[in-house]
Amino acid sequence: AAGVIQSPRHLIKEKRETATLKCYPIPRHDTVYWYQQGPGQDPQFLISFYEKMQSDKGSIPDRFSAQQFSDYHSELNMSSLELGDSALYFCASSPGQGPITDTQYFGPGTRLTVL
Amino acid sequence: ILNVEQSPQSLHVQEGDSTNFTCSFPSSNFYALHWYRWETAKSPEALFVMTLNGDEKKKGRISATLNTKEGYSYLYIKGSQPEDSATYLCAFGMDSSYKLIFGSGTRLLVRP
Repeated sequence: AAGVIQSPRHLIKEKRETATLKCYPIPRHDTVYWYQQGPGQDPQFLISFYEKMQSDKGSIPDRFSAQQFSDYHSELNMSSLELGDSALYFCASSPGQGPITDTQYFGPGTRLTVL
Repeated sequence: ILNVEQSPQSLHVQEGDSTNFTCSFPSSNFYALHWYRWETAKSPEALFVMTLNGDEKKKGRISATLNTKEGYSYLYIKGSQPEDSATYLCAFGMDSSYKLIFGSGTRLLVRP
């Protein structure tokens, strides 16, 4: 069965650089979520999209932006990278309209290292 | 600040033992409680989504119960196997928002 695809899987950037993370949800899933998990920390919700519109926002820094495109894939853009942005970034997708009661299917994550 | 707490943090059991762990969450504005199983180097895998007080879910040897009034959920594993070794995460959904608030997880190690 198709799963959530994230690219790249690993990314190394310097401070103050920009990074773009991509997420391709499971086909026919129209809701996408982004989570950040720092070393030794719980996953933290960043932002979600339903039908290409932002549906909810968590602790996402102003330096980050995200969008969902017409093919439902989503991109997380991170600018002016800081050392503290080093983390595992998960994308998840879910079908349907009922947000928090829907099962979320997670991708393998992108590990971002900022040097 | 909303806190989701899981206990114990880690657990070592012998193959064949049954075990259980707890997820505590705010009892107000409850909407849903998710359980995930997360093996190292893999994606978190959804186990259960629970929405009703008193709900019980079962998947093979794994089951979960939910008490929304007192704000806790138990996950049980019957006859643990080495392949059950993973981190078990719970996540709380409030109202009808899209965000899940995750606990820190319980790391289970099942020794053969």
